[in-house]
Amino acid sequence: AQSVTQLDSQVPVFEEAPVELRCNYSSSVSVYLFWYVQYPNQGLQLLLKYLSGSTLVKGINGFEAEFNKSQTSFHLRKPSVHISDTAEYFCAVSFNSGGYQKVTFGTGTKLQVIP
Amino acid sequence: DGGITQSPKYLFRKEGQNVTLSCEQNLNHDAMYWYRQDPGQGLRLIYYSQIVNDFQKGDIAEGYSVSREKKESFPLTVTSAQKNPTAFYLCASSEPGQGDKDTQYFGPGTRLTVL
Repeated sequence: AQSVTQLDSQVPVFEEAPVELRCNYSSSVSVYLFWYVQYPNQGLQLLLKYLSGSTLVKGINGFEAEFNKSQTSFHLRKPSVHISDTAEYFCAVSFNSGGYQKVTFGTGTKLQVIP
Repeated sequence: DGGITQSPKYLFRKEGQNVTLSCEQNLNHDAMYWYRQDPGQGLRLIYYSQIVNDFQKGDIAEGYSVSREKKESFPLTVTSAQKNPTAFYLCASSEPGQGDKDTQYFGPGTRLTVL
């Protein structure tokens, strides 16, 4: 079975400091990987995705993530965070299940940027 | 602008009542999904539909029902059989296929509270 683990439920970080949000997955088949951001009482917005090709993926708002197949990880990074980055971040994997592309989400990491 | 709309944004229901959440998309996507979000649990799939007039149960379908009579609409009914319906409900859509087409795009959500 496929699963996604976001070990950190909350990550506090000072403004302008770098941040890394961790995501590990487990799968016996090839997967696609995604990061979404959710602001309070809003839907999920796609930050970036890895489908194939270069393992370093750049997304919106200055975020990037690196796919590491050997470590089954897809950590999200930003070199300098802003107050506006305060939100909840979800890692997700997509894989084929009986002809249907099933998406499994992690439990989320709340990023709190401290002024 | 293309996108997904959900209504209402906030919904209050008395115990024992059925209630229907609306989801409409103008992205011309074939596939649509309903997720339930609870604090600390990430997103869980309720129902999905890959094409008009067809839908399948997700991981937590009990107490819910859906219909897919039109490509752009995928309403979700929360029935009185759902024991703990208070949650944030998210609708999503995608164009099934390989790679980029499997990306799911989300609506703004409906927060349901049972009084």
